Amino acid sequence: GAGVSQSPSNKVTEKGKDVELRCDPISGHTALYWYRQSLGQGLEFLIYFQGNSAPDKSGLPSDRFSAERTGGSVSTLTIQRTQQEDSAVYLCASSYQYEQYFGPGTRLTVT
Amino acid sequence: RKEVEQDPGPFNVPEGATVAFNCTYSNSASQSFFWYRQDCRKEPKLLMSVYSSGNEDGRFTAQLNRASQYISLLIRDSKLSDSATYLCVVNSLGGSARQLTFGSGTQLTVLP
Repeated sequence: GAGVSQSPSNKVTEKGKDVELRCDPISGHTALYWYRQSLGQGLEFLIYFQGNSAPDKSGLPSDRFSAERTGGSVSTLTIQRTQQEDSAVYLCASSYQYEQYFGPGTRLTVT
Repeated sequence: RKEVEQDPGPFNVPEGATVAFNCTYSNSASQSFFWYRQDCRKEPKLLMSVYSSGNEDGRFTAQLNRASQYISLLIRDSKLSDSATYLCVVNSLGGSARQLTFGSGTQLTVLP
């Protein structure tokens, strides 16, 4: 079946602009996660959605970052007033139980 | 102490070699354990779950030692295509599906 999809695959933006990254999880997966990965670094947890529960936002690095999940499916990660240190690959994953399945990521470059 | 610790490597081994990676975790209540692999500039992909009794999938064997809080991955008869970064992953909230903690990975290069 279809895996996790993310769009856009690449995004180049100017410092100070807002960006929106989209994630379509695997159908039927109740949990959705956002991570980011800087070049050569490990995964950094950002936010977690589970069903209709309040999201776990404990990993968001600043209030410029926000995410929502509509209808328990598609999620959007928004970064306001982007900074150069926001440049990274943003990965979305979904799961039904414990195993997480990742999308291909969005490579964000802030110039 | 990090929640999940791995030797970053790199491990450079010849084709056909056997290589083993270890990973330690700090939360004794952790319940779920996984190995993922991540190819350069790609997303992590689930390689295998790790069960208490140990499990094998072809050339790959995963083991869990709860008493010592470590997980291992053994790769036999390594192939060039095994070159990747191997991520140890632990459920950080002991029985909850909320969140997995990823190790920073062990880099493997299999040489011809």
